[in-house]
Amino acid sequence: QSALTQPRSVSGSPGQSVTISCTGTSSDVGGYNYVSWYQQHPGKAPKLMIYDVSKRPSGVPDRFSGSKSGNTASLTISGLQAEDEADYYCCSYAGSYSWVFGGGTKLTVL
Amino acid sequence: QLQLQESGPGLVKPSETLSLTCTVSGGSISSSSYYWGWIRQPPGKGLEWIGSIYYSGSTYYNPSLKSRVTISVDTSKNQFSLKLSSVTAADTAVYYCARHAVVVVTGHWFDPWGQGTLVTVSS
Repeated sequence: QSALTQPRSVSGSPGQSVTISCTGTSSDVGGYNYVSWYQQHPGKAPKLMIYDVSKRPSGVPDRFSGSKSGNTASLTISGLQAEDEADYYCCSYAGSYSWVFGGGTKLTVL
Repeated sequence: QLQLQESGPGLVKPSETLSLTCTVSGGSISSSSYYWGWIRQPPGKGLEWIGSIYYSGSTYYNPSLKSRVTISVDTSKNQFSLKLSSVTAADTAVYYCARHAVVVVTGHWFDPWGQGTLVTVSS
């Protein structure tokens, strides 16, 4: 069970859109529609942003959206705002009642 | 609203057992459909799922940690606990507890999370 692969960093200017990828295998991301995404500000606990690939919990802005193609899931943030600057982690069900996280992506708002 | 709070020693000696407790407030740990999980984050690194438990005592563990992990639940205290044996410096991390949804009806996610507690393994 290896960690999912995410880019170490991405950046964008306010108002722009950015996409963070999360690549796994057919045994995790590609095999199930159970990918979730978490936002983590420095020194804070992670916060659920997207679950089951593309579902948004109540209270999460619709600027955040998720998708999946094959073994790669993606988180897109549109209309970037300064407060979106944070670390983002993906997580996938990996079968046999186990879950695996990605290595995390640092989003910088320029 | 549901809140989780981790507690336990912040310093553990190598080869000893790390023990943490998560207290759930604002809701019952005996809620159906939800497990209760432990996740850790080494300083400056990513998240790692450790394991999860249902109020009945049913557990799921990360295969890479299974031999050293025990998660238990005390429904009378609305708490669940983590024990990690034979710790080394590599187990130094912030340890989080979280509600863990694992069925089709709810979806799969961790939410909410506790604030986390730093455990350092050092002599």
